[in-house]
Amino acid sequence: QKEVEQDPGPLSVPEGAIVSLNCTYSNSAFQYFMWYRQYSRKGPELLMYTYSSGNKEDGRFTAQVDKSSKYISLFIRDSQPSDSATYLCAMSADQGGSEKLVFGKGTKLTVNP
Amino acid sequence: NAGVTQTPKFQVLKTGQSMTLQCAQDMNHNSMYWYRQDPGMGLRLIYYSASEGTTDKGEVPNGYNVSRLNKREFSLRLESAAPSQTSVYFCASQRYDARVDEKLFFGSGTQLSVL
Repeated sequence: QKEVEQDPGPLSVPEGAIVSLNCTYSNSAFQYFMWYRQYSRKGPELLMYTYSSGNKEDGRFTAQVDKSSKYISLFIRDSQPSDSATYLCAMSADQGGSEKLVFGKGTKLTVNP
Repeated sequence: NAGVTQTPKFQVLKTGQSMTLQCAQDMNHNSMYWYRQDPGMGLRLIYYSASEGTTDKGEVPNGYNVSRLNKREFSLRLESAAPSQTSVYFCASQRYDARVDEKLFFGSGTQLSVL
């Protein structure tokens, strides 16, 4: 079992839909969780960062961590065509350095106008 | 503001050929990273440089070498390319390596095909 599992999709939704993207993990030591967004033929960019459990909201985006279930989610409200991208989760057990980040495979999302 | 610049954007090699992927950042960042991204595998770290003058292996270093030329530049070399090295390569930089929550800035990638 890989440390981080992420459904690659693809996921296709109509504009305005609520999107739920998820990752599961096996390492209970993970406590730093991130979501990166990657547009086609571009590098990933950090979208959300969450430490430990709980929710974090930023505009239309909400990141949720459930450490008891080893499950993290990214919710997108009122999805827009500009949200069409691949979303990668990333996580680490150690605060000290991005070399310890473990990435999911990414979920490809298409929002149709 | 350029951020992280990678060259070339595309490259086709024959098995056994060598090449160097170039990366430069203009944000005065201390830490730099090389990743490869393959379908179904996600991003995997090849090498990183926590600061100028240091380099360390990541998850998949075999077949690669790196040089941290100065604070701005971090190059990745394939000495004898193999088809298994067909991938999209991303360079990234970070202000410093001490914090995992520090934002990683990625370049636009180099698409490499080895025939």
